Amino acid sequence: NAGVTQTPKFQVLKTGQSMTLQCAQDMNHNSMYWYRQDPGMGLRLIYYSASEGTTDKGEVPNGYNVSRLNKREFSLRLESAAPSQTSVYFCASSVSLNTEAFFGQGTRLTVV
Amino acid sequence: KNEVEQSPQNLTAQEGEFITINCSYSVGISALHWLQQHPGGGIVSLFMLSSGKKKHGRLIATINIQEKHSSLHITASHPRDSAVYICAGNYGNQFYFGTGTSLTVIP
Repeated sequence: NAGVTQTPKFQVLKTGQSMTLQCAQDMNHNSMYWYRQDPGMGLRLIYYSASEGTTDKGEVPNGYNVSRLNKREFSLRLESAAPSQTSVYFCASSVSLNTEAFFGQGTRLTVV
Repeated sequence: KNEVEQSPQNLTAQEGEFITINCSYSVGISALHWLQQHPGGGIVSLFMLSSGKKKHGRLIATINIQEKHSSLHITASHPRDSAVYICAGNYGNQFYFGTGTSLTVIP
């Protein structure tokens, strides 16, 4: 049971570089989410996809783009990384919005 | 912004103690979730509540809609319960999270 798989687990970027965080789920869930977790601030929603073919902004979308490639995959792209984007990123999925969410193991991103 | 607040921020307990973590929230919540984040960073969903009480093993979650308050209880705590416990509220299509309660259970 893979559940929600995120890649990579760790990444160091230089300011201005771009990268894509990958997320895939094998539970046939309709909804997927990207969060960032910063010390003292809790998890914050970046973008979500209620169902295949739709994406919406969350609480902190600036500097990010997403793609719901198909029902399984939801990627997060940083076009021009900034030190403020240093964080731990979590992908999650659920059967539908507002139901129990299942989380990936997280990606620890450092932008120097 | 709808806020979700947790208390205490940090909690240390002796093995076997009964533990309570509290969560309060603003109006408009449709469901409240309790999550557990292990020291390695992984996050696991423990409960989703919209009313009443749920129990799973030594964990019990309650919610009082009128008081806008939820509690997570751990009976007979064990060192393996050491983790960060996070509550989150559903507001419309989004989740808003508390900052977590860091629990350490000492043998």
